[in-house]
Amino acid sequence: GAGVSQSPSNKVTEKGKDVELRCDPISGHTALYWYRQRLGQGLEFLIYFQGNSAPDKSGLPSDRFSAERTGESVSTLTIQRTQQEDSAVYLCASSLGGASTDTQYFGPGTRLTVL
Amino acid sequence: RKEVEQDPGPFNVPEGATVAFNCTYSNSASQSFFWYRQDCRKEPKLLMSVYSSGNEDGRFTAQLNRASQYISLLIRDSKLSDSATYLCVVNLIGGYNKLIFGAGTRLAVHP
Repeated sequence: GAGVSQSPSNKVTEKGKDVELRCDPISGHTALYWYRQRLGQGLEFLIYFQGNSAPDKSGLPSDRFSAERTGESVSTLTIQRTQQEDSAVYLCASSLGGASTDTQYFGPGTRLTVL
Repeated sequence: RKEVEQDPGPFNVPEGATVAFNCTYSNSASQSFFWYRQDCRKEPKLLMSVYSSGNEDGRFTAQLNRASQYISLLIRDSKLSDSATYLCVVNLIGGYNKLIFGAGTRLAVHP
């Protein structure tokens, strides 16, 4: 079946612009996660959605970052007034549920470059 | 101190070699442990979970030492296709599957 998809695959923007990144999880997966991976670094947790529960936003680095999810489908991550330090690969993952036994499946990521 | 620490490598080994990666984690309440594999410019993929008793999957063996807060991955008979970055991942106790990733150890297997 189809895996997690993300768009765009690459995004180049100018400092100060807003960007919107999209994630389509695997159908039927109730849990969705956003991560950021800077060059040569591990993944940093950003935000977690589970069904209709309030999201865990504890990983968002600043108020310029926000994310939404409509039900158990598409999610968008928005970065306002982008800065050069926002340059990274943004990865989305989904899992069947939120249990620790539920494997997270990752999308291919969006590579964001802020000039 | 980082929550999950790994030797960044790179480990350069010939085909057929045995290579071991180590990882330490700082939160003693950590509950679940994993090794993920990430190929260059690709997304991470689950390689294997790590169980308290240790577990093996073909050429790959994972060990966990809770007392020392230490996880290892052993790869036997390395193949060229094993070249990748191996990410040590920990799940903190707390109600849901919040994964904490190490920065990864890069492996390069050469002919």
